[in-house]
Amino acid sequence: DVKVTQSSRYLVKRTGEKVFLECVQDMDHENMFWYRQDPGLGLRLIYFSYDVKMKEKGDIPEGYSVSREKKERFSLILESASTNQTSMYLCASSSPPRSSYNEQFFGPGTRLTVL
Amino acid sequence: SQQGEEDPQALSIQEGENATMNCSYKTSINNLQWYRQNSGRGLVHLILIRSNEREKHSGRLRVTLDTSKKSSSLLITASRAADTASYFCATTGSWGKLQFGAGTQVVVTP
Repeated sequence: DVKVTQSSRYLVKRTGEKVFLECVQDMDHENMFWYRQDPGLGLRLIYFSYDVKMKEKGDIPEGYSVSREKKERFSLILESASTNQTSMYLCASSSPPRSSYNEQFFGPGTRLTVL
Repeated sequence: SQQGEEDPQALSIQEGENATMNCSYKTSINNLQWYRQNSGRGLVHLILIRSNEREKHSGRLRVTLDTSKKSSSLLITASRAADTASYFCATTGSWGKLQFGAGTQVVVTP
């Protein structure tokens, strides 16, 4: 059974803290993605990675960074958490886009609250 | 920016009824996907329809695609309480990136 796991389901942090969100996939996928989901806005892409040590900015990268040291792991980092980063964070992975079927597999999400 | 936009935003139906939701998008696509999200969980892929296809079925799901109108619809037939969820359409861009709409929240009451 394919699986994408995220390190925490719920997280509460204080303004200014450095926050690490971890995502691991066991499908040997090249592509990995981080989204945030807010009511009425759907999912918005923060960063994605198409290979180890490669990263690309998505639509809303400000205030975030990422790390992909191993193929199976993609980390999202909030250098200095702010209250407007309170959100649901979703990680996903997929096979390369050159395949004709690029379904994304999602983790269960991390609900982050920044106080 | 959102590529897909779902309509309606919310839908409430009785068990056994059909649920139809629509998605409009702005630019040319290679394919369009539909996902389901149960409350507070991750998204689950439902179905993918390619740009050269007009209709596709999977179990109780029927998806149509009209590239001339840049729109797609998802029909759930004979709905069940377990179909209560949010449904999202997504179009595929470069590097397999998906652009999601804001979703349609479906509530199926017994």
